[in-house]
Amino acid sequence: AQSVTQLGSHVSVSEGALVLLRCNYSSSVPPYLFWYVQYPNQGLQLLLKYTTGATLVKGINGFEAEFKKSETSFHLTKPSAHMSDAAEYFCAVSDRGRGGGTSYGKLTFGQGTILTVHP
Amino acid sequence: KAGVTQTPRYLIKTRGQQVTLSCSPISGHRSVSWYQQTPGQGLQFLFEYFSETQRNKGNFPGRFSGRQFSNSRSEMNVSTLELGDSALYLCASSFLTLAVNNEQFFGPGTRLTVL
Repeated sequence: AQSVTQLGSHVSVSEGALVLLRCNYSSSVPPYLFWYVQYPNQGLQLLLKYTTGATLVKGINGFEAEFKKSETSFHLTKPSAHMSDAAEYFCAVSDRGRGGGTSYGKLTFGQGTILTVHP
Repeated sequence: KAGVTQTPRYLIKTRGQQVTLSCSPISGHRSVSWYQQTPGQGLQFLFEYFSETQRNKGNFPGRFSGRQFSNSRSEMNVSTLELGDSALYLCASSFLTLAVNNEQFFGPGTRLTVL
């Protein structure tokens, strides 16, 4: 079974500082990887995803993540934090689909990391 | 293009009652998935419907059920509510089944409180 571990349930940074949110996954084969953000009282918004190809993935709002197969990691970074980045961030994985009537692709989420940005 | 909509946004029920939540996917999307979000268990997959058929199911008791209509709108039902069912229920839609294209778009959720 797949699992996702996000190191640090709370991360606090100063405005303008580097943001680093850690995510490690456990899967028998490299899965699809996602980062979502959730603002209070809202649903999830996709920041970026890795499916195949370039291992450095750029997303919205200046975020990027790098897939490292050898470390089974998919850490999320942003060079300079903004107050509007304060939210909860979720790393998620899903199986690679096989088609043929067999359904894969459900998301398995990490426990989330609450990012606080101080002025 | 309108996003995923969920109704109602907030719901209060008592133990033993049943509840039905509704989700309208993005126009043209045929896959609808449901997730439960609680502080203790985090985000957990409930089930996926595609073309009116359940394609995948998470590890939840049979009290949790769902269906999808021909227009891709989906409902989930929870019978005999328990206090532990209090959660934010999120619906997500995808153009194709998750097995093929698993880029999902989430709705704002329905906050269910069981008293």
